Amino acid sequence: DARVTQTPRHKVTEMGQEVTMRCQPILGHNTVFWYRQTMMQGLELLAYFRNRAPLDDSGMPKDRFSAEMPDATLATLKIQPSEPRDSAVYFCASGLEQTQPQHFGDGTRLSIL
Amino acid sequence: ELKVEQNPLFLSMQEGKNYTIYCNYSTTSDRLYWYRQDPGKSLESLFVLLSNGAVKQEGRLMASLDTKARLSTLHITAAVHDLSATYFCAGKRYTGNQFYFGTGTSLTVIP
Repeated sequence: DARVTQTPRHKVTEMGQEVTMRCQPILGHNTVFWYRQTMMQGLELLAYFRNRAPLDDSGMPKDRFSAEMPDATLATLKIQPSEPRDSAVYFCASGLEQTQPQHFGDGTRLSIL
Repeated sequence: ELKVEQNPLFLSMQEGKNYTIYCNYSTTSDRLYWYRQDPGKSLESLFVLLSNGAVKQEGRLMASLDTKARLSTLHITAAVHDLSATYFCAGKRYTGNQFYFGTGTSLTVIP
């Protein structure tokens, strides 16, 4: 089965460090979504792309977060500088047609000390 | 924006019992999706409901959609421990690609 691949699976780093999370969407999917999941806030949409173009990043703190899709096989989410409140699980999901569900990756579990 | 509300947020039920999780949404949603998330795992797609009156069933789970009432339900029949997980519903407008997720229902099935 085709899968969304996220790396790294786990990341522990100190406050102030740059964090880069990567996502390989399912081949042929033209939409990519970044979500953050915490116990307090639940599942939050951070940004999403269609055909590599950013459509909405209003859920992202702009001063420290950035999302890009350098090519159709790679999406990145960067945090610089990182803060303890960024600790969460970050999911990438990809999709294709209007009616199809999003397919989620296994997530990156991020801990900022 | 499409607002999606689920209830209950937490559900503890005994094995063998039936129960229903409700998903209400604020404006017209042409697509409704149900996902399952096991602790520490990713979200897995369960059902896709695309039209009024749609009903999908898989094992002990049955999902339905009433677009006029703006309501989807996930019915659990004769619950078993393996169904313990968090269930999310998500709505999607006909135009656009964004999914709007509910807060999730954490289900615990007790022996």
